[in-house]
Amino acid sequence: QAALTQPASVSGSPGQSITISCTGTRSDVGLYSLVSWYQQHPGRAPKLMIYEVTKRPSGVSNRFSGSKSGNTASLTISGLQAEDESHYYCSSYAGGTTVIFGGGTKLTVL
Amino acid sequence: EVQLVVSGGGLVQPGRSLRLSCAASGFTFEDYGIHWVRQAPGQGLEWVSGISWNSGTIGYADSVKGRFTLSRDNTNDSLSLHMNSLRPDDTAVYYCAKVGVRRLYYYYMDVWGEGTTVTVSS
Repeated sequence: QAALTQPASVSGSPGQSITISCTGTRSDVGLYSLVSWYQQHPGRAPKLMIYEVTKRPSGVSNRFSGSKSGNTASLTISGLQAEDESHYYCSSYAGGTTVIFGGGTKLTVL
Repeated sequence: EVQLVVSGGGLVQPGRSLRLSCAASGFTFEDYGIHWVRQAPGQGLEWVSGISWNSGTIGYADSVKGRFTLSRDNTNDSLSLHMNSLRPDDTAVYYCAKVGVRRLYYYYMDVWGEGTTVTVSS
């Protein structure tokens, strides 16, 4: 299974909104509503930010939102804050017993 | 507090074996699937293996199939990843993560352990 495709980097200024895309195929992102997004700070374990495409775990800011269209899922962060600077990974169920991740996107807050 | 503690990493020579453990606390372990995800130095996350709550479903990434074996002990709230025929490209931080929904093989991973480093080198 090939990895999901994410942009290597995105950036934005405080207060702005950014969107990170995650492109798969009709066998993974396009077929299942099991896309999740994880935030990972350097040296730390990943943290779940969005699950089932659009749902936010308790404790995650409502500035984080998810969506999906066709084979592409997206993570949008509104009202950017310095603390949002991190790496973000998307993940999708790919059928059978397989789970796949995206290559990751480094978010820089300017 | 829901917690996963990963242990067993270290330096190992190519071709040798290593066993990683993931100890759970703070939740009903026997009700949840657990997955392993690794991250090579400077690289992204890679799914390695997963096991359902009752061991009825076990999956492996193609890169480790036939070399890694995942098992769980619901009596002791723990699971083990046995890694054989290790290669330099298995070098990574290995995380275990809990599935967020009861009695499913996978939905999403809601709690992650802090990871253990495996270095395969002569």
